[in-house]
Amino acid sequence: KNEVEQSPQNLTAQEGEFITINCSYSVGISALHWLQQHPGGGIVSLFMLSSGKKKHGRLIATINIQEKHSSLHITASHPRDSAVYICSVAHMDSNYQLIWGAGTKLIIKP
Amino acid sequence: GAVVSQHPSWVICKSGTSVKIECRSLDFQATTMFWYRQFPKQSLMLMATSNEGSKATYEQGVEKDKFLINHASLTLSTLTVTSAHPEDSSFYICSAMQRVYSTDTQYFGPGTRLTVL
Repeated sequence: KNEVEQSPQNLTAQEGEFITINCSYSVGISALHWLQQHPGGGIVSLFMLSSGKKKHGRLIATINIQEKHSSLHITASHPRDSAVYICSVAHMDSNYQLIWGAGTKLIIKP
Repeated sequence: GAVVSQHPSWVICKSGTSVKIECRSLDFQATTMFWYRQFPKQSLMLMATSNEGSKATYEQGVEKDKFLINHASLTLSTLTVTSAHPEDSSFYICSAMQRVYSTDTQYFGPGTRLTVL
């Protein structure tokens, strides 16, 4: 079993829909990252969380440390949000090296 | 927030040549930088941890002589792919660790796509 699991693996939705991507992990962490990777490969760091909730524009990220779970939400989704969203966690005991989820491929149709 | 840049963003080279990729922290000092590699349709894989002024720590299975890492300053780490072959074609991403008081935050570069012909 992977230490970081993302769901769903693939998600297709219509423009305007509310999107939720989930990330569950099984190790103790010091932080959790959400990143966005566009088809060309470029990586954009969206959030780094260690507790609670963060919001940036239409993006919201939450984390529940007790349940070892994080969610990334996109409100009023738009085709330009189409990308792969990757969750990664910084393991508490391994010098902050990251454990990566497999990613969620999101397609927003106009 | 802090910014990490990579140069070049993409490179095409012939088999047998060496390619250098730079990772820079633009507005902070990073004693630790990480290099990742991403194969098509796969997650990122940690290649090595780069500490300023000392030798990089490579993950199991990563060839040290193939992937040379130099962290010569607090704002620059370089990854050199030596004698590149088509199987080295991949997406390479670096990240840099910023320490503010006792909190470490990792910032990612945008990545470099390497294609070896």
